[in-house]
Amino acid sequence: GDSVTQMEGPVTLSEEAFLTINCTYTATGYPSLFWYVQYPGEGLQLLLKATKADDKGSNKGFEATYRKETTSFHLEKGSVQVSDSAVYFCALSDDGSGNTGKLIFGQGTTLQVKP
Amino acid sequence: NAGVTQTPKFQVLKTGQSMTLQCAQDMNHEYMSWYRQDPGMGLRLIHYSVGAGITDQGEVPNGYNVSRSTTEDFPLRLLSAAPSQTSVYFCASSSRGSQPQHFGDGTRLSIL
Repeated sequence: GDSVTQMEGPVTLSEEAFLTINCTYTATGYPSLFWYVQYPGEGLQLLLKATKADDKGSNKGFEATYRKETTSFHLEKGSVQVSDSAVYFCALSDDGSGNTGKLIFGQGTTLQVKP
Repeated sequence: NAGVTQTPKFQVLKTGQSMTLQCAQDMNHEYMSWYRQDPGMGLRLIHYSVGAGITDQGEVPNGYNVSRSTTEDFPLRLLSAAPSQTSVYFCASSSRGSQPQHFGDGTRLSIL
């Protein structure tokens, strides 16, 4: 079945460092891909999305490109801030195989940014 | 703008007790889902609904029941609580299957 694999954390960076969080997926159809962020004590918020191959999602300085050839959707940010400290989840939806809205999540990567 | 509202925020149960986690959305979304979040495992789908009167099982449905009598509400019932159901539960909704989901703030449930 469909699955999502994220790099294991926690990731600890200094402020203004470059961030990459790797995400790869396995899917039989043509899923949409998402990055969600969870700040401490809160629910998940959509960070960015991409719905087809070569699409680039971007928001708040974060970017991710839908790479069908490598089945990847890596999250990047050029200069992280302390306020970016959170848990980041990569996810895919099975809208290509039934449009049910189901999301399949990676295990999450905790990012800690130190001043 | 309420979005997705979950109640209660925290709950402690004893093994064998039953309870209902409430979820309501005010965005007229057709799609609603329940997930549980456990350390190191991301979020796993329990049950989902693509519209009023229609529900289906997700990845980890055992021990949980759902119903969808209205578009707005999607309650999750624990029939006989077990310690393995200690988790954080999130409800989510979206307008279509391909659209991003909106999440509630979660219910932290402990089973003793």
